Amino acid sequence: QVQLQESGPGLVKPSGTLSLTCAVFGGSITSNNWWSWVRQPPGKGLEWIGEIYHSGSTKYNPSLKSRVTILLDKSKNQFSLKLNSVTAADTAVYYCARVPVMTGSTLASWGQGTLVTVSS
Amino acid sequence: DIQMTQSPSSLSASVGDRVTITCRASQTISTFLNWYQQKPGKAPKLLIYVTSNLHTGVPSRFSGSGSGTEFTLTVNSLQPEDFATYFCQQTHSVPTTFGQGTKLEIK
Repeated sequence: QVQLQESGPGLVKPSGTLSLTCAVFGGSITSNNWWSWVRQPPGKGLEWIGEIYHSGSTKYNPSLKSRVTILLDKSKNQFSLKLNSVTAADTAVYYCARVPVMTGSTLASWGQGTLVTVSS
Repeated sequence: DIQMTQSPSSLSASVGDRVTITCRASQTISTFLNWYQQKPGKAPKLLIYVTSNLHTGVPSRFSGSGSGTEFTLTVNSLQPEDFATYFCQQTHSVPTTFGQGTKLEIK
């Protein structure tokens, strides 16, 4: 069973860049899945950030598109998220997730999440 | 973006009860509707996809129905482990969007 694990700094300064990595275990990142990022501000709901396929194709939430980059590293079986020009509003638990192809962003399995706080 | 609205926002029930949560979309989404369960401090888990299909390992007391703009999640014979927050998600259009959540609490 595919498992995912997020990692990265838990604290980012305002105007800086948030960088997270999601390692994929128990399956190949070149399998028939999209790989997604979702975030959840403390005590609030879920917001889809974007996703990537192993071909390099990406989909982004238009609300974040100007600040987001999702990349994939086949050699390390992982994918990453970069969000620049962060503010306190970007403070959230960030999850990576697996999206089986043809399910239209159905998040079939998730990492445990990592809290990122934006603060000076 | 398609707005998803869940009702109620919170719900109190007892073990053994049957509960229903509603999710409404701001425009038609056919049957492209998923449900997730989230417990405190944990990642959400997929329960139901494409309105009524149970994800692997999900107990049969969970069921989903609906189409167009109105959908329901029903839990029959609530168990202690069912007390959690539930989210709906539309996958009809990009960006995918979620409801605000329904917190199911023990009465």
